[in-house]
Amino acid sequence: DAGVTQSPTHLIKTRGQQVTLRCSPKSGHDTVSWYQQALGQGPQFIFQYYEEEERQRGNFPDRFSGHQFPNYSSELNVNALLLGDSALYLCATGGLTGELFFGEGSRLTVL
Amino acid sequence: QQQVKQSPQSLIVQKGGISIINCAYENTAFDYFPWYQQFPGKGPALLIAIRPDVSEKKEGRFTISFNKSAKQFSLHIMDSQPGDSATYFCAASLITGGGNKLTFGTGTQLKVEL
Repeated sequence: DAGVTQSPTHLIKTRGQQVTLRCSPKSGHDTVSWYQQALGQGPQFIFQYYEEEERQRGNFPDRFSGHQFPNYSSELNVNALLLGDSALYLCATGGLTGELFFGEGSRLTVL
Repeated sequence: QQQVKQSPQSLIVQKGGISIINCAYENTAFDYFPWYQQFPGKGPALLIAIRPDVSEKKEGRFTISFNKSAKQFSLHIMDSQPGDSATYFCAASLITGGGNKLTFGTGTQLKVEL
């Protein structure tokens, strides 16, 4: 049983570019959340998707957008990248129990 | 009201000792309190979680103690081992029909020495 899988694992972009990160949920999970973790900090909630709709959103600008597909996988898109967007982006998936399981993350570096 | 405060920031424990990490929350609506373990370069791994209707939950060497009136909860790691050296995060959330949004503490870097 595969856990939460994310791709790519590492990527480097320059300021102003756009990035797309991908997440496949753990088997049986239908809710996908995205978190941003800056170096030395706890993860910060970006948004959550369920039934292909954004259900909750944290304090992130509209440059951060997402999508959930019918197979429950998800994408996180960030436009007009800033240096401050450099972070580990984590996907977490869950089901009926409310427990959330995280992937290994995508490390984004913005130069 | 969404903050979760975690202490200490770092902790050094001898092998075989007890590691204790504390968290305090403000939002009394929170109804789910998990602890995550994170190794460098990895994603957080769910260790153990508790709901506010119980005061303690134990899984192996890991125990959560929960004090609803004080709005505090803590993680105890018994017989700490060098392999437990990692960063530990407490979190809290309100599980609703809209999902489960976790608010994390700032993390505790644990080092277990031989």
